[in-house]
Amino acid sequence: DAGVIQSPRHEVTEMGQEVTLRCKPISGHDYLFWYRQTMMRGLELLIYFNNNVPIDDSGMPEDRFSAKMPNASFSTLKIQPSEPRDSAVYFCASSFRSGPNQPQHFGDGTRLSIL
Amino acid sequence: AQKITQTQPGMFVQEKEAVTLDCTYDTSDPSYGLFWYKQPSSGEMIFLIYQGSYDQQNATEGRYSLNFQKARKSANLVISASQLGDSAMYFCAMRATNTGNQFYFGTGTSLTVIP
Repeated sequence: DAGVIQSPRHEVTEMGQEVTLRCKPISGHDYLFWYRQTMMRGLELLIYFNNNVPIDDSGMPEDRFSAKMPNASFSTLKIQPSEPRDSAVYFCASSFRSGPNQPQHFGDGTRLSIL
Repeated sequence: AQKITQTQPGMFVQEKEAVTLDCTYDTSDPSYGLFWYKQPSSGEMIFLIYQGSYDQQNATEGRYSLNFQKARKSANLVISASQLGDSAMYFCAMRATNTGNQFYFGTGTSLTVIP
């Protein structure tokens, strides 16, 4: 079975440009999470969805960040305009059902560099 | 409030020896799950092992076992017969129903296996 698929794997762009990160969760999983990982701040939860509905976006750093999940098999995280401090690895993860016994499965991440 | 604590930023272990990575947690929910993830230098997050709060026995998965002490609220990961490929960051995480099914991660422990 295919795991969580993220694209692109690497993105290098200039400050001020719009960046769109994409995620395809594991089929049948109804929870989707977006994380950001940096050396300074570790792994941070940005937002998560249940059945395509955003449940908690309190981790989204500012209005420049937005996330959508138009259907069960696709989600995007958009940064507009991007800034150098947004440079990080962004992970998408999905989980099957609610309940404390369900692990999340991570994609390989998108390594984002803003120049 | 921090819900997962990993107090060991870095650990070293001799190849073929066992090592214990510490994790303590805080929750008032009687139903929760504890997870360990491995992040090698290549960056992906790999799910290793799960322990449920109602499980009577400690979880085991191959060379990984979880030393679960509920009264102490600790869920330490034990890796037996360490291998060079075990060198990685290890993250402890918790999921509880009363916190909206999101996952809380610790800050991680960097494990280095010495030949």
